[in-house]
Amino acid sequence: SYELTQPPSVSVSPGQTSSITCSGDNLGDKYASWYQQKPGQSPVLVIYQDNKRPSGIPERFSGSNSGNTATLTISGTQAMDEADYYCQAWGISAGVFGGGTKLTVL
Amino acid sequence: QITLKESGPTLVKPTQTLTLTCTVSGFSLSTNGVGVAWIRQPPGKALEWLALVHWDDDKRYSPSLKSRLTMTKDTSKNQVVLTMTNMDPADTATYYCAHHVSNAYYLDYWGPGILVTVSS
Repeated sequence: SYELTQPPSVSVSPGQTSSITCSGDNLGDKYASWYQQKPGQSPVLVIYQDNKRPSGIPERFSGSNSGNTATLTISGTQAMDEADYYCQAWGISAGVFGGGTKLTVL
Repeated sequence: QITLKESGPTLVKPTQTLTLTCTVSGFSLSTNGVGVAWIRQPPGKALEWLALVHWDDDKRYSPSLKSRLTMTKDTSKNQVVLTMTNMDPADTATYYCAHHVSNAYYLDYWGPGILVTVSS
C-alpha cells in the first residue's frame, strides 16, 4: 500500500520560515494536499494541487511537490499557525494521509 | 454554502456494526466531479482515510478495511451512509465526512466529526 512519511514534529520561532516535508514514492507524480488541524477542531485545507491556496488561507502558506517529496512552507510563521499538519495524496486505490507533523511556534 | 454533518451512535459494542450518516447541503451528490469521503482519527492519533463515493457512484475503500466497509449514497436525501462491521475497541475514533473534489483528490469541506466509542 502507498505510504506518506512526515516528521513527527517541527519547531520554529515566530516570524521565521517553517518547512514541513512529506515523502512518498514518486509523490511528485501525484497531487499533494495539506491540512491544518488545531486541537478539538476539524482539519482545514490549506494547500491543494501541490501549491494552490483555498480562499481565505493566508499568503504565507505555500506548497511544492517534486520527486519523492512535497513541502509545506509557512513564511513568517505566527503563533496562530501552531497546529498539526497532514499531507494527503491518492494512493493505489484510495486516499492516503501522512502521519502528521506537530508544528510548535516557540 | 457547503456543509456536511455526521450522525449516528456514539457508543457501540464490540462485534456490532456501526452505521454513520453524512448529511450534506450546498451541493448535490450527483454533481459531476464531486464526492464524499469518510476519514477517521483515533484519539491523539493521525487521520486515516476510510472510503470515498464519487458522483457517479464509483466507490473506493481503504485496502486495509475494505472487507468491513460499505458506502451507500441517497441523492434524494443528500445523504451518504457508511457501515463498518465487526467493531473493535481499536475502532474508537472521531469519524469525519468531507466534500471531495474528484479530479484533484482533495477535501475542501469537512464535517464537525462524531466521536464513536467502542466498548462493552
